[in-house]
Amino acid sequence: AQSVAQPEDQVNVAEGNPLTVKCTYSVSGNPYLFWYVQYPNRGLQFLLKYITGDNLVKGSYGFEAEFNKSQTSFHLKKPSALVSDSALYFCAVNNAGNMLTFGGGTRLMVKP
Amino acid sequence: DGGITQSPKYLFRKEGQNVTLSCEQNLNHDAMYWYRQDPGQGLRLIYYSQIVNDFQKGDIAEGYSVSREKKESFPLTVTSAQKNPTAFYLCASSRGQPLPYEQYFGPGTRLTVT
Repeated sequence: AQSVAQPEDQVNVAEGNPLTVKCTYSVSGNPYLFWYVQYPNRGLQFLLKYITGDNLVKGSYGFEAEFNKSQTSFHLKKPSALVSDSALYFCAVNNAGNMLTFGGGTRLMVKP
Repeated sequence: DGGITQSPKYLFRKEGQNVTLSCEQNLNHDAMYWYRQDPGQGLRLIYYSQIVNDFQKGDIAEGYSVSREKKESFPLTVTSAQKNPTAFYLCASSRGQPLPYEQYFGPGTRLTVT
């Protein structure tokens, strides 16, 4: 069985500061990892994915994520947070066809 | 949300009534999915379909039914057997196997049953 953990329910960061949203996973075999963002009362938007290759993956809106196989982590990062980045972020893992298993989500609050 | 439409955005029903949520995509994707999202929780898979006229149960299929008669459409029926149907329902689609393609989501339908 595959699983994803997002250990922080909420992350608070000041605008302009770097942000990190944590994600750890558990799968058998090679993990395929995804980050999505959800704004209030909206669907999820795809940010980025790791399939293979470079451990640092760049995605939409200036976000990036670092795959760390030894720590089974895939943390989402951004060098300088914007107030508009405030949203709910989901990490997901896939190693069984196209089935995604989602973490519980982390609410990011960026304060001016 | 591009390419996937869900209707209606808000839906209200009385207990004991079946209700059907619409999901249409124009992305030419083979695979489609239905998820349920409850407040403060992640997404849970209800049903998925990898190809027309075929679908599989997800983690929480009890009380739900689906059909996939057309590639573009994957309606979800919430039956009266679903014990706690009030939730936010999300439809998604993706290219088919074998690669792990990202899923694209619709804007969601918020169902309230009283």
